Amino acid sequence: EVQLVESGGGLVQPGGSLRLSCAASGFTFSNYWMHWVRQPPGKGLVWVSRINSDGSGTTYADSVKGRFTISRDNAKNTLYLQMNSLRAEDTAVYYCASGGAAAGNDFDYWGQGTLVTVSS
Amino acid sequence: DIQMTQSPSSLSASVGDRVTITCQASQDIRKYLHWFQQKPGKAPKLLIYDASILERGVPSRFSGSGSGTYFTFTISSLQPEDFATYYCQQYDNLPLTFGGGTKVEIK
Repeated sequence: EVQLVESGGGLVQPGGSLRLSCAASGFTFSNYWMHWVRQPPGKGLVWVSRINSDGSGTTYADSVKGRFTISRDNAKNTLYLQMNSLRAEDTAVYYCASGGAAAGNDFDYWGQGTLVTVSS
Repeated sequence: DIQMTQSPSSLSASVGDRVTITCQASQDIRKYLHWFQQKPGKAPKLLIYDASILERGVPSRFSGSGSGTYFTFTISSLQPEDFATYYCQQYDNLPLTFGGGTKVEIK
């Protein structure tokens, strides 16, 4: 059974940092592209970032470029999102999602989400 | 960035009703459109990919159609478990973008 389990969310002050993790199981993680998507409270879904299967290629939404870094450890079957210079508008539930092995944009499996709150 | 305009933003319907949601892209996205269902406090669930292909295990009362810039999503006979928010998403161009969502509520 495919499982994606996020962790690392919490309350952080504006300007602070946080690292999210997404532990994957039930599929060959090293073959799959992966994504982060966020959802501000009461609002819609927003794509944040994508990483290819070996970690050599990354893409970001303009709103997080230069502040967030997506990475992965295929030996540990884990995806990461390092978030720096956090702002109030980064407050959201953050989901990891699988992109699939081919085109990279499948979104067929999602984690349960982890809440990040940026507030003083 | 490609803008995805979803309508309506909400609707009220009864069990057994036929429900249709539309999604319009600001430029041609060919067939590269997903439809997701999201229930409160839960992660989105993929229902349809490539605009019209049903994901494994998704009931056949769900369907999608369209290409280019105009897409529709239909529930042929609304069931109690279908009350949720539905989102379209284009994956033809980066950044990937979602529609604003359609909340389907009980009448």
